[in-house]
Amino acid sequence: EAGVVQSPRYKIIEKKQPVAFWCNPISGHNTLYWYLQNLGQGPELLIRYENEEAVDDSQLPKDRFSAERLKGVDSTLKIQPAELGDSAVYLCASSPEGQSGETQYFGPGTRLLVL
Amino acid sequence: AQSVSQHNHHVILSEAASLELGCNYSYGGTVNLFWYVQYPGQHLQLLLKYFSGDPLVKGIKGFEAEFIKSKFSFNLRKPSVQWSDTAEYFCAVNPNTGGFKTIFGAGTRLFVKA
Repeated sequence: EAGVVQSPRYKIIEKKQPVAFWCNPISGHNTLYWYLQNLGQGPELLIRYENEEAVDDSQLPKDRFSAERLKGVDSTLKIQPAELGDSAVYLCASSPEGQSGETQYFGPGTRLLVL
Repeated sequence: AQSVSQHNHHVILSEAASLELGCNYSYGGTVNLFWYVQYPGQHLQLLLKYFSGDPLVKGIKGFEAEFIKSKFSFNLRKPSVQWSDTAEYFCAVNPNTGGFKTIFGAGTRLFVKA
């Protein structure tokens, strides 16, 4: 069974440029998460989807960040415009139903460097 | 606000030494508790989890963790570490109430000397 797939694995951009990350969760997993991981920190939730509905986006900086999961399968996270402080690893994870106690399955992450 | 505190950012051990990584959380209600591990070059993956029952939980690769409710702690242990246990370990807490937002600790980097 394929795991969570993310692309690209690495991205270098100049500040003020847009950037997009893509995630394909494990087949059949209804819940998809986007996390931000800064250097030396644990993952912090940006947004959680139940199918195509964003059920928790309270930590998403909506002035520059946006996300979509139109068909309830794969998802895209966008930053426009990127700032120097956005340099981090962006992790995608999925779980079957999004219930408390469920294991989350993580992708390899996209490492973003903003110059 | 809910938080998870991991006591050590870096731990260095020799092979066969015993390991204990501390984790404390701040949340007064019922929680589910996790330890995730990230081996070099690999994805974050589940090591073990607790959601009910026996507070002593056994995971993969000989790891175990004990949930002590009165201390809000979920420490990770292994009696004898191996070089292959070199990794970063994250404690995570998920309240067993609406929202189910998982809070991760900052992680502990473990280096095991061969």
